[in-house]
Amino acid sequence: ETGVTQSPTHLIKTRGQQVTLRCSSQSGHNTVSWYQQALGQGPQFIFQYYREEENGRGNFPPRFSGLQFPNYSSELNVNALELDDSALYLCASSLQGSEKLFFGSGTQLSVL
Amino acid sequence: AQRVTQPEKLLSVFKGAPVELKCNYSYSGSPELFWYVQYSRQRLQLLLRHISRESIKGFTADLNKGETSFHLKKPFAQEEDSAMYYCALGLTGGTSYGKLTFGQGTILTVHP
Repeated sequence: ETGVTQSPTHLIKTRGQQVTLRCSSQSGHNTVSWYQQALGQGPQFIFQYYREEENGRGNFPPRFSGLQFPNYSSELNVNALELDDSALYLCASSLQGSEKLFFGSGTQLSVL
Repeated sequence: AQRVTQPEKLLSVFKGAPVELKCNYSYSGSPELFWYVQYSRQRLQLLLRHISRESIKGFTADLNKGETSFHLKKPFAQEEDSAMYYCALGLTGGTSYGKLTFGQGTILTVHP
């Protein structure tokens, strides 16, 4: 059984650029949730994907978007990057209907 | 709107001493409360959930709806308990799982 894997581990972008972060869910998990963790803060819910559709969104603008693929892996896309988007982005997988989340190690995004 | 408050950013105790990490929440509905832990160089992982009423690694947490609290307690702290602890609030219901509101976290240090 493999755990949640995220790529890349680190990324540096400049303001205005676009970025794509990737997540492979734990084997058998059909739901992926994305979180943003700013320095010194707790994770903040961005959105969740289930059956390849968005299943709930937190307080994030539309320039944050995502995809889920038939194999349950997922992408997080952020357009028009802003300095405040600099953060650790965490992916968590779970079974739909289960409250137990399994987190990846995260992608550290720096926007200059 | 949901909110989770962990009033202590840092908490230091000596080995063998009791420890209590405080968590207060605000939510108008029926909450699901969790404690997540992140040990050094490891991923964020679930420690315990209130609905299970379980004890994990000697830790317990009781949901007090009157005081809207979910404090984490352990009678005798161990050095290996040193970690970052996050309290998290979830919504009840199948499709709501995985959409958590986290507190800012408390860094627990247990001194020998």
